[in-house]
Amino acid sequence: QQQVKQSPQSLIVQKGGISIINCAYENTAFDYFPWYQQFPGKGPALLIAIRPDVSEKKEGRFTISFNKSAKQFSLHIMDSQPGDSATYFCAASLLYNFNKFYFGSGTKLNVKP
Amino acid sequence: ETGVTQSPTHLIKTRGQQVTLRCSSQSGHNTVSWYQQALGQGPQFIFQYYREEENGRGNFPPRFSGLQFPNYSSELNVNALELDDSALYLCASSFDIYEQYFGPGTRLTVT
Repeated sequence: QQQVKQSPQSLIVQKGGISIINCAYENTAFDYFPWYQQFPGKGPALLIAIRPDVSEKKEGRFTISFNKSAKQFSLHIMDSQPGDSATYFCAASLLYNFNKFYFGSGTKLNVKP
Repeated sequence: ETGVTQSPTHLIKTRGQQVTLRCSSQSGHNTVSWYQQALGQGPQFIFQYYREEENGRGNFPPRFSGLQFPNYSSELNVNALELDDSALYLCASSFDIYEQYFGPGTRLTVT
């Protein structure tokens, strides 16, 4: 059973546009939801993370929206830039159960200049 | 402060062989987690080490084993390699339960 489902698989956005990636999770006990950015040949880099006690977190151009009742969370990238072109992974974990991460399958974002 | 480092960068092995991958955790971190990332997929949790003890394991067979050393660096060992073991192996370090920081990975190819 896939614990975290991510969509879309790929996304093309024009420079300056908004990129939106969605994730849904199964386990209501999850209490930590990070987003990672991965460039080809590199390891994932932590972008932004949220706990379920807040509905939104913003860091620069990146915003996480969290809907606990729907068991969904999403990443919004405002003013998308060609340098944002990468694969994005959402994840969920139980902080007090050795913080094992369950990752989504990834979204390949291509920002056109 | 140094980040997470992994060695080697790339590795080619033959089916049935054994391999050891290494990870140096970020300064101040005491927890190391290992993940397997198949091409085009998200990372899958293999196991985690906390203060030299295995602290949790994913759905991987016993031929995947590990170690953590007193300096919190870690090794991943895979015995009896299979073609499906070809993947990017990532380690991530953290301090206790907090954010995990990933290394660049080791690309393992099994032929």
